[in-house]
Amino acid sequence: EVKLVESGGGLVQPGRSLKLSCAASGFSFNDYWMGWVRQAPGKGLEWIGEINQDSSTINYTPSLKDKFTISRDNAQNTLYLQMSKLGSEDTAIYYCARPQITIAAIFYWYFDFWGPGTMVTVSS
Amino acid sequence: DIQMTQTPSSMPASLGERVTISCRASQGISNYLNWYQQKPDGTIKPLIYYTSNLQSGVPSRFSGSGSGTDYSLTISSLEPEDFAMYYCQQYDSSPNTFGAGTKLELK
Repeated sequence: EVKLVESGGGLVQPGRSLKLSCAASGFSFNDYWMGWVRQAPGKGLEWIGEINQDSSTINYTPSLKDKFTISRDNAQNTLYLQMSKLGSEDTAIYYCARPQITIAAIFYWYFDFWGPGTMVTVSS
Repeated sequence: DIQMTQTPSSMPASLGERVTISCRASQGISNYLNWYQQKPDGTIKPLIYYTSNLQSGVPSRFSGSGSGTDYSLTISSLEPEDFAMYYCQQYDSSPNTFGAGTKLELK
């Protein structure tokens, strides 16, 4: 059974940093891209970014590129999100998700498994 | 960034009703469009990928269609477990972007 479990959320002061983790199990982690999505309270989903299998390609949504860093440890089956210079606008539930990517005659890309999310609250 | 406009933002509906949710992209996205369902407890799952492909395990009452800039998700006959939030997502160009969501509510 594929399982993704985020951790590391909590209350953090404005301007500080926080590192989230996502523990993956039930599949061969090093065979998959991985991604992060967030959801501010009462708002929709926002794609943060993604990382490929060997960390050689990391894509970010432009507005977060200078604040957030995605990394992974394939030996530990863990995905990370390092967040810096946090502001109130970063208050959200942060989801780890696994993209299912097929590049053949037709290009498929969608998140087929999601974690339950971890809440990050930025407040003094 | 490609903007995704979902309509309606909320939709009251009855059990057994047929409903359609729309998603319009700010430019053509070549059918690179997915749909997700989010339950009130926050659980998110994929429903449809590449416009019209049903994700494994998703009931056949869900279907997707569209082309160019206009796409839709249809639920043929609402069941109690279908009352949730629905989001479209384009992956034609980075950054992937989601619609603002449609809340399907019990009338």
